[in-house]
Amino acid sequence: AQRVTQPEKLLSVFKGAPVELKCNYSYSGSPELFWYVQYSRQRLQLLLRHISRESIKGFTADLNKGETSFHLKKPFAQEEDSAMYYCALCPQWGSARQLTFGSGTQLTVLP
Amino acid sequence: GAGVSQSPSNKVTEKGKDVELRCDPISGHTALYWYRQSLGQGLEFLIYFQGNSAPDKSGLPSDRFSAERTGGSVSTLTIQRTQQEDSAVYLCASSPRTDQPQHFGDGTRLSIL
Repeated sequence: AQRVTQPEKLLSVFKGAPVELKCNYSYSGSPELFWYVQYSRQRLQLLLRHISRESIKGFTADLNKGETSFHLKKPFAQEEDSAMYYCALCPQWGSARQLTFGSGTQLTVLP
Repeated sequence: GAGVSQSPSNKVTEKGKDVELRCDPISGHTALYWYRQSLGQGLEFLIYFQGNSAPDKSGLPSDRFSAERTGGSVSTLTIQRTQQEDSAVYLCASSPRTDQPQHFGDGTRLSIL
């Protein structure tokens, strides 16, 4: 069975500093990876997915199959980036169903 | 442009009672998912509906949990003989197809006394 680990429950950085939210996964096949974000008092929404290779709100994530990681990065954090971030895995590449989520990282960007 | 709608937003009930949670997906979305989020945990997959196919019930934690999706639209998650460990936020999501990202509702916060 697949598993997603987000080792940091809480992460604080100062505005303008780089930020990296860690995500590691365990799965023997070729998964599809996602980052979801939940801003305060808003619903969970997709931030980016590996297959799209997009940069959303300045965030990027690279799939490292050797390290089985999908860390989320942004070079210059903004206060509006403060939110709960969830990494998720789908066991079928190119699909988006049956997501397995990590436990989330609460990011706080300090002024 | 309504998103995924869930009701009730909050539900408090006594242990042993049955509860029904409702999800109204985005119109035209053929895939519908239920997840559970316990305190401090990530989202746990429960069940998945795709069109008229048989649902994937592999995530349901016990036979007290069941779900229906009538007419390919509205879904109801039923928990029978609720236990305190059932307390969680129950999230519903829908997507146009299984290769498309899921759109989540606000969830139902269920509290079992």
